[in-house]
Amino acid sequence: DVKVTQSSRYLVKRTGEKVFLECVQDMDHENMFWYRQDPGLGLRLIYFSYDVKMKEKGDIPEGYSVSREKKERFSLILESASTNQTSMYLCASSPRGAMNTEAFFGQGTRLTVV
Amino acid sequence: DQQVKQNSPSLSVQEGRISILNCDYTNSMFDYFLWYKKYPAEGPTFLISISSIKDKNEDGRFTVFLNKSAKHLSLHIVPSQPGDSAVYFCAASGQENKLIFGTGTRLQVFP
Repeated sequence: DVKVTQSSRYLVKRTGEKVFLECVQDMDHENMFWYRQDPGLGLRLIYFSYDVKMKEKGDIPEGYSVSREKKERFSLILESASTNQTSMYLCASSPRGAMNTEAFFGQGTRLTVV
Repeated sequence: DQQVKQNSPSLSVQEGRISILNCDYTNSMFDYFLWYKKYPAEGPTFLISISSIKDKNEDGRFTVFLNKSAKHLSLHIVPSQPGDSAVYFCAASGQENKLIFGTGTRLQVFP
């Protein structure tokens, strides 16, 4: 059974902390993505990566960075957490190919910044 | 600017009837469209997709229709079941191989 695993289901962090959200996939997918989901705004793309050590900004990259040192792992970093980063964070992966962009999602991390 | 729009935040349908969820897009370069279903506290799961070379794709109770000239797609669920109650996201993809999602429609199927 294919899997995308996010390291935490729930996190509570303080304003100003550096936060790491980890994601691992076991499908040997080239593409990996980080989204956040907020009420009324749907899923918005933060960053994505097509390959190891490659990263591309999504629609809302401000306040975030990413790291992809290994193919199976994609980390999202909040450099200095703020309350407006309280959200549900979703990691996804997909195989390479323009006509095969079905993405598989992790279970999500609910982050609360206080 | 929202490239993929779902204008109905919620929809309520009686069990056994048809559910129709709508999605509009603005980017004519999108060539692949998908629907995802999401239950609370879970990640979205893929439901059905359609390529821009088609106008219809069917999988069991689920059918997606694409009208390229109107930049509109819809998901039909028939017959609707209580287990279909979830948030449904429309998504689109182009040459960049990344998915752009809509805002979601919460479907409630009542007995």
